This record gives sequence, C-alpha cells and structure tokens, in this order.
Amino acid sequence: EVHLVESGGGLVKPGGSLRLSCAASGFSFNSYSINWVRQAPGKGLEWVSSITSSGSYIYYADSMKGRFTISRDNARNSVYLQMHSLRAEDTAVYYCAKSGDYAFDYWGQGTLVTVSS
Amino acid sequence: DIQMTQSPSTLSASVGDRVTITCRASQSISSWLAWYQQKPGKAPKLLIYKASTLETGVPSRFSGSGSGTEFTLTISSLQADDFATYYCQQYNRDSRAFGQGTKVEIK
Repeated sequence: EVHLVESGGGLVKPGGSLRLSCAASGFSFNSYSINWVRQAPGKGLEWVSSITSSGSYIYYADSMKGRFTISRDNARNSVYLQMHSLRAEDTAVYYCAKSGDYAFDYWGQGTLVTVSS
Repeated sequence: DIQMTQSPSTLSASVGDRVTITCRASQSISSWLAWYQQKPGKAPKLLIYKASTLETGVPSRFSGSGSGTEFTLTISSLQADDFATYYCQQYNRDSRAFGQGTKVEIK
C-alpha cells in the first residue's frame, strides 16, 4: 500500500526557515516524480514544486522560486522541501503527492506550517 | 504560466441532480487535465486524469470531457457523499497549476 508521510511543520517566525520531509513507502520510489502542494487556511490548492524520479528535473511555481528548494534522497525514499525567508502568507498545510499517470495519484495527510511572530 | 479558471465557484444542488463543473485553461493543454475531490480536513482524492480517464475505484457517475482549453467534470446523479470541493489541475510542461476550486453544497 502506498504511504506518504509529511513531517517538519510547525511554528516559525517571519523570515525564518523550515525543512519539510516526505517519507514514502509501498511503491518503487525511485521511479516516480514527487510533488509538494500547499493549502492556506480556508483557501484552495496551490502547487508548490515537483521533482522527477532521478532528481534531474525540478519545477517551481513562480511565487516559490528563489525561496524554496526541493530535493530527494532515493536511498532513503524521501523528498524534502527547504523553505527560506518565510512570510505569513506561506502559512498552510503542505502536502506531498506522488505523480501517477499525468496526475497526483497518492497524497500524504499534510503537515501544518504556521508563520507568525 | 498557464492559468486555470473554474466555474462556478459554488454550486448548490440536491441529491440526484446532474452537476457540471467547467475548467478553462489560459492556453491549450491538450488532454493533460486532472480532477480532484477534497473534503474538509482531508487530502485531495484523484478522480479523473487525462481529461476523461476515471481513476480506479471512482464511481462511474463521475465523468470528464474536453480538450485544448475547455474541460468539464460531470456527476450524473449527485450522491450525499459527493458534497465536497472539486479542483481541476493542468499537467503540462513545467507547471502543475490548480483551478481555484468549486464547492458543491447541499441545496
């Protein structure tokens, strides 16, 4: 069974940094792209970033470029999202999701990031 | 970046109704469109990919159509379990943008 478990969320001050992790199991991790999606309280889904199976190709939403860095460790079946210069508007639940056939077919339960002084 | 626009933002319907949600892309995305259902406090669930292919296990009352820039999600006979928010997502080039969502409420 496919499982994705996010961790690393919490309370951080404006301007601070945070590193989220996504631990995967139940599938051939090094064969699939993994993605981060966030959802601010009461708002819609916002795609954040994607990384291909080998890590060769990385994509970011325009509003995340330069502040967020996605990476993966195929030996540890994990994907990471390093976030810098955090702002109040980055407050959201952050989900990791596995890419399937041109869609995100499995999702984690999410981890909450709160940016507040 | 490709922008995705859904309509309506909110839809009030009754059990048994036929419901249609529209998603428009700011430029052609061929058939690289997915639909998701999300209930409060839960992660999204994939319903349809490649515009019209039903994900395994999704009830056949859900269907998708369209190509290019205009797409629709149809629920043929709304069930109590279908009251939720629905999102489209484009899967083209280097972006995976979502639409703003359509909330399906009980009338």
